[in-house]
Amino acid sequence: DTGVSQDPRHKITKRGQNVTFRCDPISEHNRLYWYRQTLGQGPEFLTYFQNEAQLEKSRLLSDRFSAERPKGSFSTLEIQRTEQGDSAMYLCASSTSGGQGADTFGSGTRLTVV
Amino acid sequence: DAKTTQPNSMESNEEEPVHLPCNHSTISGTDYIHWYRQLPSQGPEYVIHGLTSNVNNRMASLAIAEDRKSSTLILHRATLRDAAVYYCILRDRGSQGNLIFGKGTKLSVKP
Repeated sequence: DTGVSQDPRHKITKRGQNVTFRCDPISEHNRLYWYRQTLGQGPEFLTYFQNEAQLEKSRLLSDRFSAERPKGSFSTLEIQRTEQGDSAMYLCASSTSGGQGADTFGSGTRLTVV
Repeated sequence: DAKTTQPNSMESNEEEPVHLPCNHSTISGTDYIHWYRQLPSQGPEYVIHGLTSNVNNRMASLAIAEDRKSSTLILHRATLRDAAVYYCILRDRGSQGNLIFGKGTKLSVKP
């Protein structure tokens, strides 16, 4: 297993376009998280899945954002009608449920909205 | 989750020990202390965690104060590859949710 994979690594899009990012977690991890990180700040939580169920969404996740995790495997994060304020690094993390085990993060997708 | 306070930045010389402090005066009895670090252009990486006793692993040591209101991450011999932002995070024992990151401490390592 090569860890958490995110695709693409970089995305440049024009304002108003839709974008979709993919996250492939570690195969045996049933929890999956999405975070957003802007320059100079720590990552901010967006949403969380346990298996295929989306259990929690941050107030940061506006109605332009949607996330899915079909069959409890990979996950996608879609942003509709992108705005310049959406420019950020989008990070995915996965972990197993129970205990205090480490969360494993991907390298992120850097989104630039022009 | 309770808040933590860390210095914005620290400097170290290569091959010297580094002590990164974290204050968490409002920690509850069920909060674990986690440390993650983030290298430039990478996602955060787990470093270590503990509850009450000091902990050691191949990356670092975690020293926890007796009253648990503060802790220190110790890198025994800093290398240039240890230059990163280090985050101290409290996570409740029963938590199944996300990590709450602050701004962390940016560690610079001089050759």
